[in-house]
Amino acid sequence: GNSVTQMEGPVTLSEEAFLTINCTYTATGYPSLFWYVQYPGEGLQLLLKATKADDKGSNKGFEATYRKETTSFHLEKGSVQVSDSAVYFCALVKTSYDKVIFGPGTSLSVIP
Amino acid sequence: DVKVTQSSRYLVKRTGEKVFLECVQDMDHENMFWYRQDPGLGLRLIYFSYDVKMKEKGDIPEGYSVSREKKERFSLILESASTNQTSMYLCASSSNRIYEQYFGPGTRLTVT
Repeated sequence: GNSVTQMEGPVTLSEEAFLTINCTYTATGYPSLFWYVQYPGEGLQLLLKATKADDKGSNKGFEATYRKETTSFHLEKGSVQVSDSAVYFCALVKTSYDKVIFGPGTSLSVIP
Repeated sequence: DVKVTQSSRYLVKRTGEKVFLECVQDMDHENMFWYRQDPGLGLRLIYFSYDVKMKEKGDIPEGYSVSREKKERFSLILESASTNQTSMYLCASSSNRIYEQYFGPGTRLTVT
């Protein structure tokens, strides 16, 4: 079946460090891929998306590129801030009408 | 500002009690969802509804039921709460783009 795997957390970085959170997926066909973010005490928010191979999603300085050949959608940011401390979820959906499959989440803590 | 609200942030109930979790959205969305979030397991879909009075089982519906009498309100019911239902419960809504879900802040339920 369809699934999403993420790197284990928690991840702790110093402010202004480079961030990579790995995400790989298993799915037939051509799913759409997403990153959601959950800030402390809040619900999840859609951060960025990519709907076809080689698309790059970007938002708030975060980027992720849909790599069909490696079935990956790694999240990157060049310089993290304390305010980026949150849990990040990779997700996929097969069609616009399918349910969303979420990964287990990766907790990020950024220290000053 | 779009909003999904949940009736309680924290709830403590005893084993065997009937528990109601309420969710209200103000975006006129057709679709509404209930998830539970557990460490290491990410989000798992309990039930969803794509229209008033319509409901579909998700991945883990056992021990839960739902009610959607009005478009803006989606209730999750635990008929007889058990300790293994201690979890964070997240409600979400979406338009016809199912992947773009808006989440409430969650209800942390403890069953003792």
